[in-house]
Amino acid sequence: AQKVTQAQTEISVVEKEDVTLDCVYETRDTTYYLFWYKQPPSGELVFLIRRNSFDEQNEISGRYSWNFQKSTSSFNFTITASQVVDSAVYFCALSDKDSGYALNFGKGTSLLVTP
Amino acid sequence: GAGVSQSPSNKVTEKGKDVELRCDPISGHTALYWYRQSLGQGLEFLIYFQGNSAPDKSGLPSDRFSAERTGGSVSTLTIQRTQQEDSAVYLCASSATAGNTIYFGEGSWLTVV
Repeated sequence: AQKVTQAQTEISVVEKEDVTLDCVYETRDTTYYLFWYKQPPSGELVFLIRRNSFDEQNEISGRYSWNFQKSTSSFNFTITASQVVDSAVYFCALSDKDSGYALNFGKGTSLLVTP
Repeated sequence: GAGVSQSPSNKVTEKGKDVELRCDPISGHTALYWYRQSLGQGLEFLIYFQGNSAPDKSGLPSDRFSAERTGGSVSTLTIQRTQQEDSAVYLCASSATAGNTIYFGEGSWLTVV
């Protein structure tokens, strides 16, 4: 069965620090997709990134970067030079054929960035 | 519309009443999902529709919950005889097809009193 683990429940950093959010997944499928979503205090889920299992290239988007390593079944998310507006709950998720491609979410990591 | 639209945004209902929550997916999206998020909790999968296939109802918590999708577009999630533990945000999402990026609506906040 598929599973997503976000071991960090809460992280608190001071503005301008770098922070990495960990995500470890389990799946039996060889084709699967990994996602990160941001949920700010307002509540909506904002899509950040989707990565398929055949593309292990790391990705950078502005201050955000993602490190996908199949060897360790991890898909970690780093925010460089964090800002107060980055404060939110971040969810990692997995979809695969076994789940009918519905998202299986981790429990989320609550990030607080203080000035 | 440009995004996934849900209504009502907020609903307060009395215990034992039935409620209907509506979701209008992004135009052209064939896959539609319902999730539930209770206060301070994670995201719980409820049901998934893909095109004209039979829906995956494996996440529905009880037989008081049902959902339908008419004409491959709008979906309605119905909760019968609501209980206080049903209080949560009900999130609808859609994707172009299975495996594509899934976009979420703003949710329907349900409070059962």
